[in-house]
Amino acid sequence: DARVTQTPRHKVTEMGQEVTMRCQPILGHNTVFWYRQTMMQGLELLAYFRNRAPLDDSGMPKDRFSAEMPDATLATLKIQPSEPRDSAVYFCASGFGQGLYQPQHFGDGTRLSIL
Amino acid sequence: SQQGEEDPQALSIQEGENATMNCSYKTSINNLQWYRQNSGRGLVHLILIRSNEREKHSGRLRVTLDTSKKSSSLLITASRAADTASYFCATLGKTSYDKVIFGPGTSLSVIP
Repeated sequence: DARVTQTPRHKVTEMGQEVTMRCQPILGHNTVFWYRQTMMQGLELLAYFRNRAPLDDSGMPKDRFSAEMPDATLATLKIQPSEPRDSAVYFCASGFGQGLYQPQHFGDGTRLSIL
Repeated sequence: SQQGEEDPQALSIQEGENATMNCSYKTSINNLQWYRQNSGRGLVHLILIRSNEREKHSGRLRVTLDTSKKSSSLLITASRAADTASYFCATLGKTSYDKVIFGPGTSLSVIP
């Protein structure tokens, strides 16, 4: 089965460090989503792309977060500088067609701990 | 504010019993989706039901949608221990500005 691949699966780093999370969407999918999941806030949409163009990043703290798609096979989410409140599980999901109107396929996430 | 709210927050049943989870939402939707999340894993799509549909089935899963009450239910029949997971409903509004919004989830425990 085709899968969304996220790396790294776990990341522990100190406050102030740059964190880069990577996502390989399912081949052929043209929509990519980044989510953050915490116990308190649940699953929050941070940003999404269609055909590599950012459509919405209103859920992302702009001063420290950035999301890009250098090519169709790679999406990145960067945090610089990282803070303890960024500790969460970050999920990437991909979809096809109109994206929001179709099922999303999730990776297994990056569990991020900022000390 | 959250669009979808699942009920109950947690549910514990014996293997073989049926499990019913409900989702209520506030504004008109284009579609509603149900996802499952096993511990430590990503979400897995289960069923998508459009606003003009009332019921859909997939194996042991049955989803209903009542747009007049702004609610949906997910029924898992003949539950198995492997069904232990968190279940989320996700709604998409009707306008072009709307995004898919996930509810807080129902944690289901199926006891062997």
